[in-house]
Amino acid sequence: DAGVTQSPTHLIKTRGQQVTLRCSPKSGHDTVSWYQQALGQGPQFIFQYYEEEERQRGNFPDRFSGHQFPNYSSELNVNALLLGDSALYLCASSLAQGVISVTQYFGPGTRLTVL
Amino acid sequence: DAKTTQPTSMDCAEGRAANLPCNHSTISGNEYVYWYRQIHSQGPQYIIHGLKNNETNEMASLIITEDRKSSTLILPHATLRDTAVYYCIVRVALGSSNTGKLIFGQGTTLQVKP
Repeated sequence: DAGVTQSPTHLIKTRGQQVTLRCSPKSGHDTVSWYQQALGQGPQFIFQYYEEEERQRGNFPDRFSGHQFPNYSSELNVNALLLGDSALYLCASSLAQGVISVTQYFGPGTRLTVL
Repeated sequence: DAKTTQPTSMDCAEGRAANLPCNHSTISGNEYVYWYRQIHSQGPQYIIHGLKNNETNEMASLIITEDRKSSTLILPHATLRDTAVYYCIVRVALGSSNTGKLIFGQGTTLQVKP
């Protein structure tokens, strides 16, 4: 049973650039959530996608956007990168039951460094 | 979602039980208690969750007080591989529109020592 996978593992970008991170959910899951984890902090919720739509969003600017594909995989896009965007980006998948989303399972993360 | 309070750090001897406390005094009746752990630079790993009854699985046991204002995660026989940051999270349960996000605090850093 495949778990949550993310790519790439590591990424280095410069300020002002754009980045796309990818996530494949656990087999059988249809909901994807994205989190940002700065060094020494707990993960912070960015947004959640279900049925190819953003269902809930945390306190992140519009530079952060996402997409979910028909196969339930998801992308996180960050535009106009800032130094402060350097973090571990985590994807979590879950199975929605109607409008209900239960236990989230996390991928290994993508380490983004902005220089 | 209700907030949680956890000790910043704890030590445990290898082979002994590790008891990690969590305070969630403002928990609502429809909120579950979830526990995750995160080993350095890896994604958080789901451990266990519960509503009001005590729960046990292959990883741990979760003891929730009768008033639900606090809980304890128990690792029965801690090993060096259990060294991690443990997060206690209170999360709205089924039927609510606010069902997406997990709110992580600072967690408890558990150091298992030989």
